[in-house]
Amino acid sequence: DSGVTQTPKHLITATGQRVTLRCSPRSGDLSVYWYQQSLDQGLQFLIQYYNGEERAKGNILERFSAQQFPDLHSELNLSSLELGDSALYFCASSVDLSGGETQYFGPGTRLLVL
Amino acid sequence: GENVEQHPSTLSVQEGDSAVIKCTYSDSASNYFPWYKQELGKRPQLIIDIRSNVGEKKDQRIAVTLNKTAKHFSLHITETQPEDSAVYFCAASTDQTGANNLFFGTGTRLTVIP
Repeated sequence: DSGVTQTPKHLITATGQRVTLRCSPRSGDLSVYWYQQSLDQGLQFLIQYYNGEERAKGNILERFSAQQFPDLHSELNLSSLELGDSALYFCASSVDLSGGETQYFGPGTRLLVL
Repeated sequence: GENVEQHPSTLSVQEGDSAVIKCTYSDSASNYFPWYKQELGKRPQLIIDIRSNVGEKKDQRIAVTLNKTAKHFSLHITETQPEDSAVYFCAASTDQTGANNLFFGTGTRLTVIP
């Protein structure tokens, strides 16, 4: 158990819908990252937050957005869902922004868009 | 941005043999190189990491080497066991942009044959 929690574990929805994925970082970690892992694909970085502020953006679609709240939990919002958005979504956390900080991954949310 | 390439994509070895996975990176500013192991449907778990001021690091049967000049790093697993079967991801990151998100390779599916 990494100490990072994600809810829900599984999510099944229809095209065009909107969903929210939630992540709670390890106690004391200020930085949260979101990654997408499609079937047989590697891990694609989506977005990073540090202490409530956005710090880096990867290949995140405009239909996707995220935020980090004062209690440091983060939410990833996916809207106008398409079949291709079906994937495992991982959240990771680390202590701060220093280079070489270990990122601990949560168990992931498996999203299936039908 | 950073581009990490990983080879081979699949690797089968006999139990007890060694396994080597290689990665190259493009951004000379990258200074942190973790390796993650991911079992089917599970979270990526950090197994070893190396920072740019170190050339080699070992932890029991696992070792990682880094060649900064050539911009490549490798994972070595000795005396492989069936429980080593998983997908292994290399990654690279830098803190020079004020963010330290990971750029992942495409993964290597390792199968250890009993």
